[in-house]
Amino acid sequence: QKEVEQDPGPLSVPEGAIVSLNCTYSNSAFQYFMWYRQYSRKGPELLMYTYSSGNKEDGRFTAQVDKSSKYISLFIRDSQPSDSATYLCAMSAVNFGNEKLTFGTGTRLTIIP
Amino acid sequence: GAVVSQHPSWVICKSGTSVKIECRSLDFQATTMFWYRQFPKQSLMLMATSNEGSKATYEQGVEKDKFLINHASLTLSTLTVTSAHPEDSSFYICSAKRDTQNIQYFGAGTRLSVL
Repeated sequence: QKEVEQDPGPLSVPEGAIVSLNCTYSNSAFQYFMWYRQYSRKGPELLMYTYSSGNKEDGRFTAQVDKSSKYISLFIRDSQPSDSATYLCAMSAVNFGNEKLTFGTGTRLTIIP
Repeated sequence: GAVVSQHPSWVICKSGTSVKIECRSLDFQATTMFWYRQFPKQSLMLMATSNEGSKATYEQGVEKDKFLINHASLTLSTLTVTSAHPEDSSFYICSAKRDTQNIQYFGAGTRLSVL
């Protein structure tokens, strides 16, 4: 079993729809949870990060972390064609001594105009 | 947001030559930087962790003599692919971690093509 599981998709939704992206994980030591967006042939761009449990909202994006279920989500409201990209969840443990990120496999998202 | 600059964005070289890729954190100090490799339609594969002023830590299976990493300052890490061969052709991405948070910010990546 992988440490982080993410549905690879591909996922296609019409413009304006709400998109839900999810990851599950098995390592209870993870404390930092991140979502990155990656366009083709570009480096990942940090969208959201959350420390420990809870929700965080930034514009059209909402990140949720449920540590009891080991489950994280990213919601995109009013999706736009420019949101078409691969979305990677990533997580890590404490600040010092174990700084590596563990990535999901990425979900390819296409927003259809 | 934090800015990490990676250069060059694309390089083509002949087999047997060496190529250097630079990674700079432009607006924060980064004691720790990371180098990744990404194959088409796959996630990022960590190659090594670069620490300022000390030797890099390489992941299992990564040849440290082929992929030389130097982290000479708090804002610059370099990856040199030595004696490049066609199988080294790939997309290389660096990231920098803020000293105060375990969050990585990525460069735009370098596409290496070895002929």
